Amino acid sequence: KQEVTQIPAALSVPEGENLVLNCSFTDSAIYNLQWFRQDPGKGLTSLLLIQSSQREQTSGRLNASLDKSSGRSTLYIAASQPGDSATYLCAPNTGNQFYFGTGTSLTVIP
Amino acid sequence: GAGVSQSPSNKVTEKGKDVELRCDPISGHTALYWYRQRLGQGLEFLIYFQGNSAPDKSGLPSDRFSAERTGESVSTLTIQRTQQEDSAVYLCASSLGPGLGQETQYFGPGTRLLVL
Repeated sequence: KQEVTQIPAALSVPEGENLVLNCSFTDSAIYNLQWFRQDPGKGLTSLLLIQSSQREQTSGRLNASLDKSSGRSTLYIAASQPGDSATYLCAPNTGNQFYFGTGTSLTVIP
Repeated sequence: GAGVSQSPSNKVTEKGKDVELRCDPISGHTALYWYRQRLGQGLEFLIYFQGNSAPDKSGLPSDRFSAERTGESVSTLTIQRTQQEDSAVYLCASSLGPGLGQETQYFGPGTRLLVL
């Protein structure tokens, strides 16, 4: 069964900092990997989906990289803002389902 | 356009009762997923539908859990004889399909279930 680990579990940074969130997974036979954010009391919002054949995917201030063979993905957030405060989840897809990590809780301090 | 909707948003029930949770996916999305998120834990996959069929039921935790989908649209997740450990947020997601470039999942707001 796919095991997903996200490090760090929690992160607090001052506004404006660049930061990196890490995700590792045990089964490298994935089709793609999706990054989500989850705000308290709300559902998940898709941020980026990166295919297994891709190395990077960018959307605005977000950049996701994927090293499928080593079972790692990173989410880079540039020039962080207080509105970025949320829990960030990575979810590799091995076919019919996405396996979720427990997330990184990010707080951006104004 | 409308996103994924779920009802009820909150449900409190007594142990032993049956509950039905509803998910309305985005129109035209052929794939539908149910997940469970217990307090302080990650999302746990329950079941996946492609159209009205469920090729993967491996995540259902027990035979008290069942789900169906009709008209390639609405889905219901039924929990019979609820137990306190069933208390969680139940999340539904849909995507265009399993094909390349169609896998992005869009989530509903969830149903908070509390079993007393």
